[in-house]
Amino acid sequence: SQQGEEDPQALSIQEGENATMNCSYKTSINNLQWYRQNSGRGLVHLILIRSNEREKHSGRLRVTLDTSKKSSSLLITASRAADTASYFCATIRGFQKLVFGTGTRLLVSP
Amino acid sequence: GAVVSQHPSWVICKSGTSVKIECRSLDFQATTMFWYRQFPKQSLMLMATSNEGSKATYEQGVEKDKFLINHASLTLSTLTVTSAHPEDSSFYICSAETETLAKNIQYFGAGTRLSVL
Repeated sequence: SQQGEEDPQALSIQEGENATMNCSYKTSINNLQWYRQNSGRGLVHLILIRSNEREKHSGRLRVTLDTSKKSSSLLITASRAADTASYFCATIRGFQKLVFGTGTRLLVSP
Repeated sequence: GAVVSQHPSWVICKSGTSVKIECRSLDFQATTMFWYRQFPKQSLMLMATSNEGSKATYEQGVEKDKFLINHASLTLSTLTVTSAHPEDSSFYICSAETETLAKNIQYFGAGTRLSVL
């Protein structure tokens, strides 16, 4: 399977703390994306980082990419209860197809 | 912008009946639409890719006759689960992509929870 692995599988933190999720993938990539899924809902695109980028920011999100280790991390700073969701990394396989990682379930308690 | 509407959000049906799920891109024309299946607490598994006016491309292990996909226009794709059985119960999610907005980024519907009794 080309599916990426994410860790941790589940993460529980308090509001205000930072949350870090890691993603490892198996094949060479042009870009890596992070998506968020609220329980029982569809996915929302968060950020895309290209293979020639090492770090990217968007609001409270910071994504890093290490192509030599085939890994990426997503950092959410100053987390809020509304950040509670599952987070998936995704890479492109073949033409257009996204392959999603196993996901990290984040719980942010007030 | 980039809104994808999926309908219905929840459907319960009897075993042996067929269920149709619609996926519409509301404010853009989707060159490609995708259908995924997701089991509880698991990741999304791609079922098929469809381009407007052509036959869908199914992933290995997905039954074409069981999951019928029609992509009749640039804004509408449908997934029909034929002769549904309890093992077809799952969360089905569609997504759409268009290079006019952003290459490789998919915009997702809210999903359809199918329960087959």
